[in-house]
Amino acid sequence: QSALTQPPSASGSPGQSVTISCTGTSSDVGGYNYVSWYQQHPGKAPKVMIYEVTKRPSGVPDRFSGSKSGNTASLTVSGLQAEDEADYYCSSYAGNNNPVVFGGGTKLTVL
Amino acid sequence: QLQLQESGPGLVKPSETLSLICIVSGGSIRSSSYYWGWIRQPPGKGLEWIGSIHYSGNTYYNPSLKSRVTISVDMSKNQFSLRLSSVTAADTALYYCAKDLGNHDILTGYYKPNWYFDLWGRGTLVTVSS
Repeated sequence: QSALTQPPSASGSPGQSVTISCTGTSSDVGGYNYVSWYQQHPGKAPKVMIYEVTKRPSGVPDRFSGSKSGNTASLTVSGLQAEDEADYYCSSYAGNNNPVVFGGGTKLTVL
Repeated sequence: QLQLQESGPGLVKPSETLSLICIVSGGSIRSSSYYWGWIRQPPGKGLEWIGSIHYSGNTYYNPSLKSRVTISVDMSKNQFSLRLSSVTAADTALYYCAKDLGNHDILTGYYKPNWYFDLWGRGTLVTVSS
């Protein structure tokens, strides 16, 4: 069982927006601004899309955005494109005793 | 540019020790702030962080694996390694090495992880089976 809770699936049509949630506790998501989101296409390594809750690495389209409210972080993908279909994982710092925890992943389908 | 490549046996027997290395090319493993990490992914399942290390030797481990895990750096070979002892079938997974940019904590003078990984290797599948 993963430390962070994500919905197993999400979907949207091309051009639409979809939001994926990531729920933790005050000991991880809610306690630190170290939430990151990874995109993983089949057979590929994960790629960071968002770090420190809202920051986008160079090269990541601005269609991807992150936010946090309380113990829940969210990844929003706007203007869905076919290439956005992938698995998405959230991660959070959770203190020195258990620094990095992941969510179970969400499979995003572009209809 | 910086690249990471995992290497090691694809098959390990139960109760034995899994050993992997991550070769860092295109840059130095001694880059001041970088942390180097291992993450694994059982087939069809999610990601699990194993641990991270700075070239100075500062290390962080997943508490659920800490008693069986050793991560170390070999600066002469520009690589870092993972050893996981007493493996079982539950340790069968795709093992990734990855880089964390890290940062310099001005207050303490130490380098700390940023707690996300901006560069990943392709991964290597390790199966635990007799």
